[in-house]
Amino acid sequence: DGGITQSPKYLFRKEGQNVTLSCEQNLNHDAMYWYRQDPGQGLRLIYYSQIVNDFQKGDIAEGYSVSREKKESFPLTVTSAQKNPTAFYLCASSTTGGISPLHFGNGTRLTVT
Amino acid sequence: GEDVEQSLFLSVREGDSSVINCTYTDSSSTYLYWYKQEPGAGLQLLTYIFSNMDMKQDQRLTVLLNKKDKHLSLRIADTQTGDSAIYFCAETPSLSGNTGKLIFGQGTTLQVKP
Repeated sequence: DGGITQSPKYLFRKEGQNVTLSCEQNLNHDAMYWYRQDPGQGLRLIYYSQIVNDFQKGDIAEGYSVSREKKESFPLTVTSAQKNPTAFYLCASSTTGGISPLHFGNGTRLTVT
Repeated sequence: GEDVEQSLFLSVREGDSSVINCTYTDSSSTYLYWYKQEPGAGLQLLTYIFSNMDMKQDQRLTVLLNKKDKHLSLRIADTQTGDSAIYFCAETPSLSGNTGKLIFGQGTTLQVKP
């Protein structure tokens, strides 16, 4: 079955440590996205990539980094520079052009103490 | 800038209809979407409507679009307890080009009482 896999589902880190969230898709989609979800605030775009080896900042990119070395993979690193990293992180993918709804993974809940 | 607004909470009785409302600011939006999120899970696409349509029906779901008022609604007929979830409205902003970026509302939590 095609889909998006995010791992791990739960992640715990100490303040000051970098952490990388995994996102893999087998939908053959060109575009991939990372969103952050906080209670009552909806989803906010962190980074997105429309093609391998290229990515753009979203609305809240500070303290985050990404890479897109393979079409299937778009890992997100939460660095120690991110002031409030505790959140639910959602990865998504889509085709490009026309009707291109986002397909989401099941998310990773990151807790930093 | 682009903005999408939703009320935060709606409570209905099982068997009743639910109507979830959304307003948006970008009059040039091309597509508008409704997503459903169950606890601890990602978002699932429910339905979408193209901006030149007024209404779209899909089984128990009816989407109404009032482009003049920039108002979108999702009606769920015969609401069941399994419909309890957070519902997100999203638009494709005109300035997004071909990026596939969406602007999401805050989400409406639907509570269905038996």
